Amino acid sequence: DGGITQSPKYLFRKEGQNVTLSCEQNLNHDAMYWYRQDPGQGLRLIYYSQIVNDFQKGDIAEGYSVSREKKESFPLTVTSAQKNPTAFYLCASSISANTGELFFGEGSRLTVL
Amino acid sequence: GESVGLHLPTLSVQEGDNSIINCAYSNSASDYFIWYKQESGKGPQFIIDIRSNMDKRQGQRVTVLLNKTVKHLSLQIAATQPGDSAVYFCAEKTRVTNTGKLIFGQGTTLQVKP
Repeated sequence: DGGITQSPKYLFRKEGQNVTLSCEQNLNHDAMYWYRQDPGQGLRLIYYSQIVNDFQKGDIAEGYSVSREKKESFPLTVTSAQKNPTAFYLCASSISANTGELFFGEGSRLTVL
Repeated sequence: GESVGLHLPTLSVQEGDNSIINCAYSNSASDYFIWYKQESGKGPQFIIDIRSNMDKRQGQRVTVLLNKTVKHLSLQIAATQPGDSAVYFCAEKTRVTNTGKLIFGQGTTLQVKP
């Protein structure tokens, strides 16, 4: 079945460590996105990529990095520079950047110990 | 600045009743709106969308109404079922961004009482 796969589902990190969240899609979508969700809040955009080998900062990019070397993959690295990294991270994709509908993965919950 | 908000954080309805979830947006340039449903611990799922050239759109048991005059969006769920219990988000996009960026509201939790 086509879809978006995020891994790991749960991740624990010590302060000062970098962690990378995986996001893979087999929908042949051009655009991919990373959102952060905190309890009781909406989704905030971290980074997005309209096409392979290109990406742009979203509203809360500080302390995060991404790469888009392959169309189907858009990993997110949460660096030690991110001051409050504990959150639920959601990856999404869309057919193109002009298409409104986003398809979301199941999310990765990161907890900093 | 842009903001998308929901009027109530929690809505409790009886099974079988109709539910109405409201959303206000502030950017008059917004031209595309989506409703998502998010169940606990999962990613959001698309429910229905509407473009600014429409004021109503119907899906299966759901209707979205758009009032551009007062910048208000609502999601109506007919004959609410226990499986409808979730957090509902409205999201908006503006033509000028053209990046696929969606701005999400904070969400309304729908609780369905049996």
